[in-house]
Amino acid sequence: AQTVTQSQPEMSVQEAETVTLSCTYDTSESDYYLFWYKQPPSRQMILVIRQEAYKQQNATENRFSVNFQKAAKSFSLKISDSQLGDAAMYFCAYRTNYGGSQGNLIFGKGTKLSVKP
Amino acid sequence: KAGVTQTPRYLIKTRGQQVTLSCSPISGHRSVSWYQQTPGQGLQFLFEYFSETQRNKGNFPGRFSGRQFSNSRSEMNVSTLELGDSALYLCASSRQGFGEKLFFGSGTQLSVL
Repeated sequence: AQTVTQSQPEMSVQEAETVTLSCTYDTSESDYYLFWYKQPPSRQMILVIRQEAYKQQNATENRFSVNFQKAAKSFSLKISDSQLGDAAMYFCAYRTNYGGSQGNLIFGKGTKLSVKP
Repeated sequence: KAGVTQTPRYLIKTRGQQVTLSCSPISGHRSVSWYQQTPGQGLQFLFEYFSETQRNKGNFPGRFSGRQFSNSRSEMNVSTLELGDSALYLCASSRQGFGEKLFFGSGTQLSVL
């Protein structure tokens, strides 16, 4: 069974600085997707970034980028120029691309990010 | 375009009762999945529906059930509520559900007393 581990329960960053959130996963599959979701106090899960395992190029979305190391099964999120609105819980998630389980996201326990003004 | 809508936002029930939660997906989305979020267990997959058929199911007891209607709206039902069912229940939708981005609602916070 696949697992997702986020080893940092809490992180803090100064406004305008850069922070990296860590995520590792375990799988025997070669075709899958990885995601970072943000959950602010409003509770709605918001997709931050998505990475397809067969793409070697790291995904980027404005100030958000990932470092995807497939062999090491590592998927970290880098937030540049941190803003107060980035403060939230961040969840790393895995999703297989094989039949029967496409709808199933496996989440890590989350990292609570605080942004200091 | 309206997002994923979940109703109600908050719900308080007592042990032994049953409850029904509703989820309206984004227009055009045919896949709806449900997740339970608790402080202890984190986010756990309940089930996924696509075109009115349950396509995938997580490891939850039979007290948890769901269905999807022809307009893609989905409901989940929990019978014989237990204290441990207190959680935030999140619904997510996507067009086909195959590796696509999931769009989440704001959830229903269920408290069982």
